[in-house]
Amino acid sequence: AQTVTQSQPEMSVQEAETVTLSCTYDTSENNYYLFWYKQPPSRQMILVIRQEAYKQQNATENRFSVNFQKAAKSFSLKISDSQLGDTAMYFCASSSGTYKYIFGTGTRLKVLA
Amino acid sequence: GAGVSQSPSNKVTEKGKDVELRCDPISGHTALYWYRQSLGQGLEFLIYFQGNSAPDKSGLPSDRFSAERTGGSVSTLTIQRTQQEDSAVYLCASSSDYLSTDTQYFGPGTRLTVL
Repeated sequence: AQTVTQSQPEMSVQEAETVTLSCTYDTSENNYYLFWYKQPPSRQMILVIRQEAYKQQNATENRFSVNFQKAAKSFSLKISDSQLGDTAMYFCASSSGTYKYIFGTGTRLKVLA
Repeated sequence: GAGVSQSPSNKVTEKGKDVELRCDPISGHTALYWYRQSLGQGLEFLIYFQGNSAPDKSGLPSDRFSAERTGGSVSTLTIQRTQQEDSAVYLCASSSDYLSTDTQYFGPGTRLTVL
């Protein structure tokens, strides 16, 4: 069975600093996709970044980048130059073989002024 | 175009009453998903629709929960005889196809409170 684990329930970071959110997953599939979603207080889940497992290059979207370690089944999210608007819940998710996403329990990130 | 919309935004009901939650997916998206997010938890898959195929209802927690999708577009999630443990945020998502590679786009959710 697929699992996604986020071991950091809460984190905080000073504005303009860099923070890394951890995620580990388990799957027996060879081809799968990994996602980070952001859920601000408005509740709207917003896709931050996605990674195809067959790609060795880490995905990057502006200030957001991932460190994808396939052998270790690790998929961490790095947020550079943190902004107050980055305050949100962050969910890691995986999908493999089917349409179902498996979500972690989330990390609540607070950016401090 | 417009994103996924859900209504109502918030719903407060009394235990034992029935509720209907609505989801309007992104136009042209054939796949639609319902999730439940309880306080402090991740997202729990409830049901999946793809085109005219039979829905995957494997995530529905009890027979009090049902969902339909009319005309391949709008979906309604119905909870009968609501219980306090049904209190949660119900999120709807849609994607352009059924493949696991396709990004799911989420609506803002409906917060259900059962008193």
